[in-house]
Amino acid sequence: GEKVEQHESTLSVREGDSAVINCTYTDTASSYFPWYKQEAGKSLHFVIDIRSNVDRKQSQRLIVLLDKKAKRFSLHITATQPEDSAIYFCAASMDTGYQNFYFGKGTSLTVIP
Amino acid sequence: DAGVTQTPRHEVAEKGQTIILKCEPVSGHNDLFWYRQTKIQGLELLSYFRSKSLMEDGGAFKDRFKAEMLNSSFSTLKIQPTEPKDSAVYLCASRLGGSSYEQYFGPGTRLTVL
Repeated sequence: GEKVEQHESTLSVREGDSAVINCTYTDTASSYFPWYKQEAGKSLHFVIDIRSNVDRKQSQRLIVLLDKKAKRFSLHITATQPEDSAIYFCAASMDTGYQNFYFGKGTSLTVIP
Repeated sequence: DAGVTQTPRHEVAEKGQTIILKCEPVSGHNDLFWYRQTKIQGLELLSYFRSKSLMEDGGAFKDRFKAEMLNSSFSTLKIQPTEPKDSAVYLCASRLGGSSYEQYFGPGTRLTVL
């Protein structure tokens, strides 16, 4: 089955800098790649996603890049703020009617004021 | 609209006990997921329902974990018998389904097995 690896388990950046979190996946059939954020003591919530028909998507300070050839996707958080501190999970899913998510193990991002 | 609700929020069980966790998905959502979250393993899928039908039963979790969806607005996860290694946060998530892929997560149940 699909396996998603999240390369950075922890990441620290200074406020205002950019943060980049990288994920790889194994199954070429995966076509949907969401990102979820988990703040301390809270549950996960959706932040941004990308589908395989595009290679870049932006929502305010969040940019997702997808490289299908390398089976790699990444989340870029620009102009980081302390409230961006959280655990970020990437996931991959196929679009074959069996749309389970395969999650990475999470990256703990700390934004230092 | 109410989000996903889970009860109880915390559960403490003795080894060998049976515990039942409950989840109410977002109204109108067709897909429901149960996950186990630990620091070491991250998010592990336990069960996945689509329109109340079991699509995925989590493989390695089959023997002591049983999820049921008796109606479209209520699901349970039974762990029987519990073991200390089951201590984790159990998350329920729901999704509208079809072309809508976003999962909405509940607050989770923190289970401690002594």
